[in-house]
Amino acid sequence: DGGITQSPKYLFRKEGQNVTLSCEQNLNHDAMYWYRQDPGQGLRLIYYSQIVNDFQKGDIAEGYSVSREKKESFPLTVTSAQKNPTAFYLCASSAGVRQPQHFGDGTRLSIL
Amino acid sequence: AQRVTQPEKLLSVFKGAPVELKCNYSYSGSPELFWYVQYSRQRLQLLLRHISRESIKGFTADLNKGETSFHLKKPFAQEEDSAMYYCAPGGNNRLAFGKGNQVVVIP
Repeated sequence: DGGITQSPKYLFRKEGQNVTLSCEQNLNHDAMYWYRQDPGQGLRLIYYSQIVNDFQKGDIAEGYSVSREKKESFPLTVTSAQKNPTAFYLCASSAGVRQPQHFGDGTRLSIL
Repeated sequence: AQRVTQPEKLLSVFKGAPVELKCNYSYSGSPELFWYVQYSRQRLQLLLRHISRESIKGFTADLNKGETSFHLKKPFAQEEDSAMYYCAPGGNNRLAFGKGNQVVVIP
């Protein structure tokens, strides 16, 4: 189903390499979010953006970077500074920060 | 600081038995309260929000501001309720997700 599209579904990273995860939405939502999901940890917020050209750090932003140049796109870069990048990454969007969030299918990142 | 507590990681119930998932939160201001659900091989999705005061799939959630709780309840569990459930209070800039409850409904 549409709404939020994350790609790729699976991603492998070599040591010392940056990788970028894609997140696109066609819901015309202002707010977008990136979460990391680890077993037993729930969802932890990495970065969020309430409007184009603006974003804020979440709880675990170290080793990650984002951009929000277009309303529909919020890519996440996992840099080599992120020492434990193996995880499941979820992107979400909402009409506003107090509105329900819509989630993508996720990207699973693994280290080679 | 924002904090969400969902005390039981795993909850096993028999089909037809009541199920209650506890959620306590610590959040500044007046948060919106949400429950999200993730069924096997499906996306995380909204189950219900406190402001709508509706029953979704037989689930209801009562907001108790005095106890800062937002427990999720269903009187008769069904097998299709087996899933991961997350409580998420939200405010002016973000949601805070709990660690989740894995619910297993035993036939």
